[in-house]
Amino acid sequence: DGGITQSPKYLFRKEGQNVTLSCEQNLNHDAMYWYRQDPGQGLRLIYYSQIVNDFQKGDIAEGYSVSREKKESFPLTVTSAQKNPTAFYLCASSTGEVSIQYFGAGTRLSVL
Amino acid sequence: GQNIDQPTEMTATEGAIVQINCTYQTSGFNGLFWYQQHAGEAPTFLSYNVLDGLEEKGRFSSFLSRSKGYSYLLLKELQMKDSASYLCVTMDSNYQLIWGAGTKLIIKP
Repeated sequence: DGGITQSPKYLFRKEGQNVTLSCEQNLNHDAMYWYRQDPGQGLRLIYYSQIVNDFQKGDIAEGYSVSREKKESFPLTVTSAQKNPTAFYLCASSTGEVSIQYFGAGTRLSVL
Repeated sequence: GQNIDQPTEMTATEGAIVQINCTYQTSGFNGLFWYQQHAGEAPTFLSYNVLDGLEEKGRFSSFLSRSKGYSYLLLKELQMKDSASYLCVTMDSNYQLIWGAGTKLIIKP
């Protein structure tokens, strides 16, 4: 079955620690996205990538980093510079700009 | 600025009809999406409107008026599984998605 897999489902971060969230898709989609969702707010775009080896900052990129070495994979690293990382993180993919985005099940990140 | 307004919460009865409204202001317009999101889960696509009018898909319909910056999602024959948040999302001239905070729909028996 085609889809988007995010792991882990739950993640805890210690102060000063970097953590990496995994996102893999087998839909053969060119574009991939990372969003952050906080209670009572709309999704906010962190980073997106339209093609392998290229990515762009979204609205709230500070304290985050990504890579796109393979079409299928778009991992997100939450660095120690992100002072308020507790949130629900969603990865999505689409065939292009004007197209439906399909989402993974999400990773819930908390701070210890 | 870019802004999306939709009610925070609505309550409806099983078997009834409910209309969730959305008003928006965007820099340019390349369409409007509705997504459904059950608590703790990922959003799933419901509909996409780029031209004025009503799009019907089973129990769900979506309407768009570009001149009024207005859309609604109509849910008929409500079922308990329709309890979820409904997200109104616009696409601006740069093809960026602007997400509303969502409307939490509570269905009562």
